[in-house]
Amino acid sequence: QQPVQSPQAVILREGEDAVINCSSSKALYSVHWYRQKHGEAPVFLMILLKGGEQKGHEKISASFNEKKQQSSLYLTASQLSYSGTYFCGTEITSGSRLTFGEGTQLTVNP
Amino acid sequence: GAVVSQHPSRVICKSGTSVKIECRSLDFQATTMFWYRQFPKKSLMLMATSNEGSKATYEQGVEKDKFLINHASLTLSTLTVTSAHPEDSSFYICSARDFGGGVGEQFFGPGTRLTVL
Repeated sequence: QQPVQSPQAVILREGEDAVINCSSSKALYSVHWYRQKHGEAPVFLMILLKGGEQKGHEKISASFNEKKQQSSLYLTASQLSYSGTYFCGTEITSGSRLTFGEGTQLTVNP
Repeated sequence: GAVVSQHPSRVICKSGTSVKIECRSLDFQATTMFWYRQFPKKSLMLMATSNEGSKATYEQGVEKDKFLINHASLTLSTLTVTSAHPEDSSFYICSARDFGGGVGEQFFGPGTRLTVL
């Protein structure tokens, strides 16, 4: 079943923070986060495995709460280059296919 | 990160022709590759899972005779859109998971934009 992402869209000014959430109705093994720019393929950001871990990637980090079956992506001090659509992909068991959310469109303005 | 290439990046064809799209994992072996279709401003819709040395697994509603998949080696999968029609116009993206590091990150190719006239 497709995970639910929120918000659907967010507009920021450069330097502001944002949080994107990804919720599943099923227990998850892992959550994968991607950013896609217009006309391009999704780019892998990070993967979080069950165990409640948190990961960081420059000023982009994420957490995974397996009890709540949700993950959050944190973008701090946003840059213009952060603009794009963010997708979460959820994995039910190790090695199973990913199911992607509808995406969150992030726009960072000067 | 691992690299997945896809060719061609863009193709325009006449209705009724067949189009072949290649997907290669450049620095890792992939026993499984995935083919997605994406409409403008929409999510990634999984079409099929390509399995090396065996038949592909198609998602419900995807015509296997129209979208032929071949996974002849551990680094190459091909998608052939047979007798393409305008409604097949879309952005097709392949991906592969790299389990070399243990966790199985999934990397996407650059995509192929198909326009059927």
